[in-house]
Amino acid sequence: DGGITQSPKYLFRKEGQNVTLSCEQNLNHDAMYWYRQDPGQGLRLIYYSQIVNDFQKGDIAEGYSVSREKKESFPLTVTSAQKNPTAFYLCASSILSPLAGGPNEQFFGPGTRLTVL
Amino acid sequence: KNEVEQSPQNLTAQEGEFITINCSYSVGISALHWLQQHPGGGIVSLFMLSSGKKKHGRLIATINIQEKHSSLHITASHPRDSAVYICASTNPIQGAQKLVFGQGTRLTINP
Repeated sequence: DGGITQSPKYLFRKEGQNVTLSCEQNLNHDAMYWYRQDPGQGLRLIYYSQIVNDFQKGDIAEGYSVSREKKESFPLTVTSAQKNPTAFYLCASSILSPLAGGPNEQFFGPGTRLTVL
Repeated sequence: KNEVEQSPQNLTAQEGEFITINCSYSVGISALHWLQQHPGGGIVSLFMLSSGKKKHGRLIATINIQEKHSSLHITASHPRDSAVYICASTNPIQGAQKLVFGQGTRLTINP
């Protein structure tokens, strides 16, 4: 079945530790995204990538890093520099519109809930 | 700055009722997305529209470009419709790939 997988579903981290969240898709999508969701707030974009080996910062990139070495994979590292990392993290992917600037439907993974102890 | 506002924030209704969730946005958009988030956290895309109206089963999404307003309607609501409904917009200025999200509307349908 085609889709997006995220692992693990729940993650606990001690303060000061880096942690990497996995996101894999087999939809052959070019674009991938990482969002953060906090209670009572809308999703916020952390990073996105439209092509392998290239990615752009979103609205809240500080304290996070990503890589895009393969089309299928877009891991997110939450570094110790992220001041308040406890949140629900969602990965998404989409095709790139054949028309420059065109919108596309995004497909979301099941999410990873990160708790810093 | 593009902002997306949803109302109401919380909505409780009885099974069978007609449900309306509203979404307003502040700048011209490329598209308006409606998403559904179930208690487990996963998000499903329901609609993407840039004009008019779309229908899928008991769900209907409409958009009024001039008024910068969209609505999501659920007919004959059912307890399984209980979820958080999120609207999000993309606009030409910020780029088609960047969604700006509303805070979500938590819908509870009681049997």
